[in-house]
Amino acid sequence: NAGVTQTPKFQVLKTGQSMTLQCAQDMNHNSMYWYRQDPGMGLRLIYYSASEGTTDKGEVPNGYNVSRLNKREFSLRLESAAPSQTSVYFCASSERSLSGNTIYFGEGSWLTVV
Amino acid sequence: SQKIEQNSEALNIQEGKTATLTCNYTNYSPAYLQWYRQDPGRGPVFLLLIRENEKEKRKERLKVTFDTTLKQSLFHITASQPADSATYLCALAYSGTYKYIFGTGTRLKVLA
Repeated sequence: NAGVTQTPKFQVLKTGQSMTLQCAQDMNHNSMYWYRQDPGMGLRLIYYSASEGTTDKGEVPNGYNVSRLNKREFSLRLESAAPSQTSVYFCASSERSLSGNTIYFGEGSWLTVV
Repeated sequence: SQKIEQNSEALNIQEGKTATLTCNYTNYSPAYLQWYRQDPGRGPVFLLLIRENEKEKRKERLKVTFDTTLKQSLFHITASQPADSATYLCALAYSGTYKYIFGTGTRLKVLA
């Protein structure tokens, strides 16, 4: 089972460049999420999509945009990368967005902005 | 705002002993509390969920307790093994919302 697959695994960007992180899940889940993980900060929610066709802001949405392309895919875009966006990004999915659901995470994307 | 506290210092224990990790939170109690395991360079993996009306949950060598009076969850690994070495995250979830609040995790090292 592939579960949640995200690409790329590693990326180095220059300040001001743009890029898109891709994510796909094969578990037929309704809800998908993008988190970032920084040392000492824990996982913080950037954006989420409760179901196909909907997206909403999480805790730290500034500087990011998302697209729920279909039920399987949820992409995260950095329009103008900043050093503060250097982080590890995790895509995740769950059957529903309501609490109590298990969240399945991808393997992470390491992004460095220089 | 809600805060979660997990020991930031690593916990080292001897193989075969019981490891106990702590998750404390402030403010109001969540409807659900989850524990995840994260290995270096990998994404978190779900381990256990406990609801606010449950005192204890077990799965094989794992046990989670939830004390809403103390605002605390304890995560136990009995008969610990070196393969249990990882970072363990707790996450709170509130009824009717999408939001999961994650702690920073505690790194566990089981010594052979």
